[in-house]
Amino acid sequence: EVQLVESGGSLVQPGGSLKLSCVASGYTFSNYWMDWVRQTPGKSLEWIGEINTDGSKTNYAPSIKDRFTISRDNAKSTLYLQMSNVKSDDTAIYYCTRTTYWGQGVMVTVSS
Amino acid sequence: DVVLTQTPVSLLISLGGQASISCRSSQSLVHSNGNTYLHWYLQKPGQSPQLLIYQVSNRFSGIPDRFSGSGSGTDFTLKISRVEPEDLGVYYCLQRTHNPRTFGGGTKLELK
Repeated sequence: EVQLVESGGSLVQPGGSLKLSCVASGYTFSNYWMDWVRQTPGKSLEWIGEINTDGSKTNYAPSIKDRFTISRDNAKSTLYLQMSNVKSDDTAIYYCTRTTYWGQGVMVTVSS
Repeated sequence: DVVLTQTPVSLLISLGGQASISCRSSQSLVHSNGNTYLHWYLQKPGQSPQLLIYQVSNRFSGIPDRFSGSGSGTDFTLKISRVEPEDLGVYYCLQRTHNPRTFGGGTKLELK
């Protein structure tokens, strides 16, 4: 069974940093591109970015480019989202996804 | 960026009835490789999104044939026949042809 489990969500102050993790199981992690998607409370989904299978290529949404970095460790079957200089608008549930499968999401709250 | 416009924003359907959701793109979603990367998801209350249809018209594993997708170019439709209680939630289209990837605003399906 494919499972994606995110962790690392918390309350963080504006301008601060946070790193989210997503551990994958039930499939060969290194064979798939991975994405991060977020959802603000009561709102639609927003694609944040993606990373290719070996981590050499990433694409990002303009709204977070240069502030967020996606990386992966295939040996640990883990996807990461490094968030820097966070803003109140970054408050959301963050999901890791393989397009076909999604994690349960983790909450990030940006507030002073 | 590609804008996906979903209509209607909300749908009131009787059990056993039929629902139709439109997703219109601001530009063609035909990739240079000839494929069209337009997918449909359902997010049930309190859950992560789940994939229903990929590449316009292909049902994902375990998705009943009550769900069907169609369309081409810039106009796409998701149809749900014989609506059941477990079909309630918010439906989203997602395009993965162009970067950045983008979601439609969502269509909420409720029971009449």
